[in-house]
Amino acid sequence: DIQMTQSPSSLSASVGDRVIITCRASQTIGTYVNWYQQRPGKAPNLLIYSASNLHSGVPSRFSGSGSGTDFTLTIRSLQPEDLATYSCQQTYTALYSFGQGTKLEIK
Amino acid sequence: QVQLVQSEAAVKKPGSSVKVSCQASGGTFTSYAISWVRQAPGQGLEWMGGIIPVFGTPNYAEKFRGRITITADEPTRTVYMDLNSLTSEDTAVYYCARDPGEVTGNNPGLFDYWGQGTLVTVSS
Repeated sequence: DIQMTQSPSSLSASVGDRVIITCRASQTIGTYVNWYQQRPGKAPNLLIYSASNLHSGVPSRFSGSGSGTDFTLTIRSLQPEDLATYSCQQTYTALYSFGQGTKLEIK
Repeated sequence: QVQLVQSEAAVKKPGSSVKVSCQASGGTFTSYAISWVRQAPGQGLEWMGGIIPVFGTPNYAEKFRGRITITADEPTRTVYMDLNSLTSEDTAVYYCARDPGEVTGNNPGLFDYWGQGTLVTVSS
């Protein structure tokens, strides 16, 4: 099974900051990575697919990059509504494993 | 507008089983797969399995094989997830999610719509 490891597990940032979350796969997976945002008490929402493609309706301050084993999610200018947990997901194999999540708090 | 509406929360005894439903509205029911993803308290998301309703053949994560059954009823546009031999470690929020790529072959595993979640509590 492919393991997805995110870092950090949690972070605190201020409105306007740039935030970077990383995800490392246990083996090379091309660009078969999606990112989800999960606000407290809510279901996840798709943000980024295939490592770098912005899902419809997602603000342009979100971006993704990476290939192989290392991937990043960047929030260019943090907004209060970005308070959430962010999770990466690999779709290289049909066992669609997720990272453990990164909890983002607003200072 | 696609909507996935799940059944209500449930409390179950250890050793029993639970059946969670997910009813779809909007979109073409036969043109996508439905997956089940769970989240234990304070933990990450965990994919459990999925089904393409028009084909009816489910696919399960190895961890749950033998304990899980996913079925689909096309007339009612409802997908069911049945999990048996419950333990306290199965206490979690269970989500269904739409996967349009599983049918087209374009980005399978991309979950673009999610149900609201169903809390299943396993307690004696």
